[in-house]
Amino acid sequence: QKEVEQNSGPLSVPEGAIASLNCTYSDRGSQSFFWYRQYSGKSPELIMSIYSNGDKEDGRFTAQLNKASQYVSLLIRDSQPSDSATYLCAVKHKAAGNKLTFGGGTRVLVKP
Amino acid sequence: GAVVSQHPSWVICKSGTSVKIECRSLDFQATTMFWYRQFPKQSLMLMATSNEGSKATYEQGVEKDKFLINHASLTLSTLTVTSAHPEDSSFYICSAKSSGRGSYNEQFFGPGTRLTVL
Repeated sequence: QKEVEQNSGPLSVPEGAIASLNCTYSDRGSQSFFWYRQYSGKSPELIMSIYSNGDKEDGRFTAQLNKASQYVSLLIRDSQPSDSATYLCAVKHKAAGNKLTFGGGTRVLVKP
Repeated sequence: GAVVSQHPSWVICKSGTSVKIECRSLDFQATTMFWYRQFPKQSLMLMATSNEGSKATYEQGVEKDKFLINHASLTLSTLTVTSAHPEDSSFYICSAKSSGRGSYNEQFFGPGTRLTVL
């Protein structure tokens, strides 16, 4: 069983709509959660970090964390074609030091 | 802030040669840097954790004698792929943990180095 799981997609979203991405993790000791965006051929770029249950909003992005259910999600409002990328969920566990465990990523396609 | 650079951005080499990749934190000190490898259409796989002034910690299955890591200063870590072979062709990405920037110390990634071994 993978430690961090994401639907690989592609998730096709009309321009202006909301893209909803989900990520589940297996280790209950996980403490820190991150969403990265990766364009093709480029390195990941940090979008959001979330550490406590609930919602965290930053511009058009909202991260949601539910530790009891072991999932973290990312909402992208008013999706733009420039949001087309692969979104990586990453989890950090206290016992693992500073190492991040990445999910396989969800590819998002925003169609004009 | 929190800018990480890598050099070179791409490299093509012959089989059997060694390649050195540099990772620098430009505007912050990084006591810990990480080296990842990413094959096409796959996610990032952590290769090793590089700690300033000490030996790197390698993930299971990563040959430490093949992938030499040196973290000589708080702003520079290097990865040397020794005796590279075509199967080492990949996208190598470093990240740096920003020590002192909040209690959770997020990781920031360099732009990556694309290695092609002929």
